[in-house]
Amino acid sequence: EAQVTQNPRYLITVTGKKLTVTCSQNMNHEYMSWYRQDPGLGLRQIYYSMNVEVTDKGDVPEGYKVSRKEKRNFPLILESPSPNQTSLYFCASSPGAGSYTGELFFGEGSRLTVL
Amino acid sequence: GQQLNQSPQSMFIQEGEDVSMNCTSSSIFNTWLWYKQDPGEGPVLLIALYKAGELTSNGRLTAQFGITRKDSFLNISASIPSDVGIYFCAGQLAGAQKLVFGQGTRLTINP
Repeated sequence: EAQVTQNPRYLITVTGKKLTVTCSQNMNHEYMSWYRQDPGLGLRQIYYSMNVEVTDKGDVPEGYKVSRKEKRNFPLILESPSPNQTSLYFCASSPGAGSYTGELFFGEGSRLTVL
Repeated sequence: GQQLNQSPQSMFIQEGEDVSMNCTSSSIFNTWLWYKQDPGEGPVLLIALYKAGELTSNGRLTAQFGITRKDSFLNISASIPSDVGIYFCAGQLAGAQKLVFGQGTRLTINP
């Protein structure tokens, strides 16, 4: 089954404790991206990747890091989480970065709470 | 960053009613898309629009790409309980490898 898989789905952590949210897709997609969803603000892009070893900032990259060492994986790293990073996070992928159409496949989401 | 203004923010309707929502922007977009998010899940693509003036249907859903390329609307006819969720518009600027999303419209249906 074609899917985007995120882990963990739920996490409660404390300020400053480094964490990683993993994302993996099995559709051989070139493009991958991370979004955060907050009430009244919709989905805002954190980082995106056009292909292996190619990443770029989205609209709200502060406090986050990403890496793209393999085509299928795109982890989101919070080096020192703060309460304002409490949010619902989505990973998404799309078939062709060179012919990007905006047709995204989303994971089920990871709800993060930072105390 | 770019902003899309999506309205209404929420809707409370009776089953069987028609629904209309829209998105506007001060920028010109090359592509407009509409996604739906069911409770506890990630958004799923409903309709994609690639040409100004384009009108596209997907079952009971109809969406249009505004002729000015600065707006789009989504209509749902004869709503049913499974239409409940959050609907997002999204636009792609020319040459951009990213989408800008609206704030979402939360649809609630009373049986």
